[in-house]
Amino acid sequence: QKEVEQNSGPLSVPEGAIASLNCTYSDRGSQSFFWYRQYSGKSPELIMSIYSNGDKEDGRFTAQLNKASQYVSLLIRDSQPSDSATYLCAVDLFGNEKLTFGTGTRLTIIP
Amino acid sequence: KAGVTQTPRYLIKTRGQQVTLSCSPISGHRSVSWYQQTPGQGLQFLFEYFSETQRNKGNFPGRFSGRQFSNSRSEMNVSTLELGDSALYLCASSFGRGESPLHFGNGTRLTVT
Repeated sequence: QKEVEQNSGPLSVPEGAIASLNCTYSDRGSQSFFWYRQYSGKSPELIMSIYSNGDKEDGRFTAQLNKASQYVSLLIRDSQPSDSATYLCAVDLFGNEKLTFGTGTRLTIIP
Repeated sequence: KAGVTQTPRYLIKTRGQQVTLSCSPISGHRSVSWYQQTPGQGLQFLFEYFSETQRNKGNFPGRFSGRQFSNSRSEMNVSTLELGDSALYLCASSFGRGESPLHFGNGTRLTVT
């Protein structure tokens, strides 16, 4: 099992719909979880951080965390073509002060 | 507040040469992490420095090394370059605690011919 696992996609979503991105991780003791967005040819930029079980909302983005299931997700409401990018899940596995990234999910929003 | 600055943006080197990449973190950030990104492998952790000490190291050969200076600026060195070292090298800074997110620079695109 990969330490941080994401479906590589591509995931295609119509404009205006909800995009759902998922991530599972291997260490039950992980405490910090992050979602990054990376446009082609650019560096990753932080979208959301989440540390507690439940939902955290920021504008059109909602992060969901379930530590018991070792699962974190990102929902993008009212998807826009500008949301087309690769989304990276990052986890501080084993509390060792480094972030481990998934391989990313490529999201395409279809106008 | 200025972001993370990486120099140079692009590098072309020949096999066997060595290269040094530079990173200036966000002011106040004491941790600098380096990642290698390739299409096939995604983001792979190289190492992390905090207050001039290497705190974590990834699974890369000894040809990859780094250091951090007292002003938190960091350098990464790759010796005896191989074709497979062609990648985007990303530096990221943070406050250095597990809950602190990383903030990435624009990266250095290294091409080895």
